[in-house]
Amino acid sequence: DSGVTQTPKHLITATGQRVTLRCSPRSGDLSVYWYQQSLDQGLQFLIQYYNGEERAKGNILERFSAQQFPDLHSELNLSSLELGDSALYFCASSPRVTSGRTDTQYFGPGTRLTVL
Amino acid sequence: LAKTTQPISMDSYEGQEVNITCSHNNIATNDYITWYQQFPSQGPRFIIQGYKTKVTNEVASLFIPADRKSSTLSLPRVSLSDTAVYYCLVGDKWGQGGKLIFGQGTELSVKP
Repeated sequence: DSGVTQTPKHLITATGQRVTLRCSPRSGDLSVYWYQQSLDQGLQFLIQYYNGEERAKGNILERFSAQQFPDLHSELNLSSLELGDSALYFCASSPRVTSGRTDTQYFGPGTRLTVL
Repeated sequence: LAKTTQPISMDSYEGQEVNITCSHNNIATNDYITWYQQFPSQGPRFIIQGYKTKVTNEVASLFIPADRKSSTLSLPRVSLSDTAVYYCLVGDKWGQGGKLIFGQGTELSVKP
C-alpha cells in the first residue's frame, strides 16, 4: 500500500459525459501527479500540482482539467468523453523535494475508466 | 529528459538472477537513474535509484558504469511474483515541476 488513495476504483460512463476522479496523496506529500495508461499509449504524464499550484503539464487534452485543493487532495475532471479516453488513470504523490536528488513518486491503485 | 532503451521482454526461471540493462546515451550530468516496477492493473512502484557505481537495497541492485550511458537492474533469485513490467527512467529534479517519462518498459516473465 503506497498510501495514495484514488476513488472510484472503476467508472463506466457514456460518450459525451463528464467524470471526476479523486486522489488523496500520502500524508505530508505536497506534489500530486496524474497519469493516463492505455494499451496503445502506455503510461503518459498528464499534469502535476505542487501545494495547490500547477507545476508541470504533459500531453493533457483541453477536455481534461485538474486542481489541487488546500487539503492537498486533487481531482481530475474529464469532459466530453470519447471512447479513446478509456484507460487507467493513476495519481502519484511525492514529498517536498530536497536539493540534489530526484523525488520518488508513490502511485495510487488507479481508476479504471470505461467509456461506452 | 534523456531517452532510454530497454529490451521489450525477458524470460527467466524461479531462483535465477535477472539483469535488465537500460541504455541512456544522452544522460546529463545532473540526471539520476530510477527503476520502477508495475504489476498488471496496479500503479508503478519505485524500486531503486542511483547516480553512479552501485546501489543496493533489500529488493535489487543497480549497477552504473563510469560513463553512465547505461545501467543494469539486478534482481537476485527471482520468484513468480517478480513477473511485472520494469521501467528505467532518467532525469533530474522531477519533483520541482518535472515529470516521469515512461518508455515501453521490459516485461519480465518468471516461470516455475
